[in-house]
Amino acid sequence: DTGVSQDPRHKITKRGQNVTFRCDPISEHNRLYWYRQTLGQGPEFLTYFQNEAQLEKSRLLSDRFSAERPKGSFSTLEIQRTEQGDSAMYLCASSLAGAGGFNEQFFGPGTRLTVL
Amino acid sequence: KQEVTQIPAALSVPEGENLVLNCSFTDSAIYNLQWFRQDPGKGLTSLLLIQSSQREQTSGRLNASLDKSSGRSTLYIAASQPGDSATYLCAVKIGANSKLTFGKGITLSVRP
Repeated sequence: DTGVSQDPRHKITKRGQNVTFRCDPISEHNRLYWYRQTLGQGPEFLTYFQNEAQLEKSRLLSDRFSAERPKGSFSTLEIQRTEQGDSAMYLCASSLAGAGGFNEQFFGPGTRLTVL
Repeated sequence: KQEVTQIPAALSVPEGENLVLNCSFTDSAIYNLQWFRQDPGKGLTSLLLIQSSQREQTSGRLNASLDKSSGRSTLYIAASQPGDSATYLCAVKIGANSKLTFGKGITLSVRP
């Protein structure tokens, strides 16, 4: 068990470009969450998947954002036409949902996005 | 809407001091509460998770308590060390299958 991994760790892009981030959850975890954290704030929920189904999306997730988890394993988060306000740390977490469990979320190291 | 508050935003203490970090939440109908540590520019490390039916959890020098009726949790750190310097975040979950709602965190600095 290598924990939750995210790639890339850092991304610098110019305004208007598209970016894509990847998250690999803990292997047996069926739930995957995306959060966004700006400087001095706690993480804010964006969306989550159970297996390949996207079950909830925050209103923070504008139509420029899209997330997928095509085979119920890794997930991608794409931001189209990036804006300077998208600069943040994007965190991924996974958990094992099921009876008797605590659904404890384990977080990855994050992807730091800077939009110039 | 659940809101989580952590005050103060920053705290500086001398090494060896015992300290308490506070967390309050507005809706007492929570499923569980987690305390996390975050080092600068890094992800979150889970420290302790308290289920709604529990009053406290302990791990090493850390002890977290939960009082659902008053909407409060505390993280007690015994004999603080410079290596404890980090931001501490608390987060609540209102249902087994729901997201975490975070406070803004408390940035702790332990002076040698």
